Amino acid sequence: SQQGEEDPQALSIQEGENATMNCSYKTSINNLQWYRQNSGRGLVHLILIRSNEREKHSGRLRVTLDTSKKSSSLLITASRAADTASYFCATADQTGANNLFFGTGTRLTVIP
Amino acid sequence: DTGVSQDPRHKITKRGQNVTFRCDPISEHNRLYWYRQTLGQGPEFLTYFQNEAQLEKSRLLSDRFSAERPKGSFSTLEIQRTEQGDSAMYLCASSRDRGRPNEQFFGPGTRLTVL
Repeated sequence: SQQGEEDPQALSIQEGENATMNCSYKTSINNLQWYRQNSGRGLVHLILIRSNEREKHSGRLRVTLDTSKKSSSLLITASRAADTASYFCATADQTGANNLFFGTGTRLTVIP
Repeated sequence: DTGVSQDPRHKITKRGQNVTFRCDPISEHNRLYWYRQTLGQGPEFLTYFQNEAQLEKSRLLSDRFSAERPKGSFSTLEIQRTEQGDSAMYLCASSRDRGRPNEQFFGPGTRLTVL
């Protein structure tokens, strides 16, 4: 079974609005990453946050991590139509395993 | 283009046939991963190589699946006696050995359809 779950499963907003997606996971992690996937394509790495970090920014992206609640959020500010995609969180656990555990994704639609 | 490449991008096959996919990672990346993604789901880990050594295999990787990375560069994933349940997107990713090894760079994927 997959490690994480994103919430909501789908989100539709107007261009210029902010979009917030949440991710919950099950086990202790080394780090958590967010990826974007355009329809039918590969995944693009957006941002990585380590387990000892609480917040990270990259351009219009803001990621928070709460290890006590085993949850993370991704905020996209001033959304654009080009942000339309599926967004996945992925965790690397502390066992040293090298694979990532992905959530089920949030499908974001930004309406121009 | 120095990203991860995969070939073919699409494969349609009949049930029972064998298929082979290729992945060329980013040249300086020692680590290579295969994932499978079905519609509406996130990718699921299949297997991982460090150079030419296959170090981890998921329970999802049945006996019909085999992966190789003979020279520590490109990798192949073969599925024998394909079944309709094998229909999925097969994603390859690579990462560095040092620095941020879990930051994986993905290829465009090979979409397999088994009729």
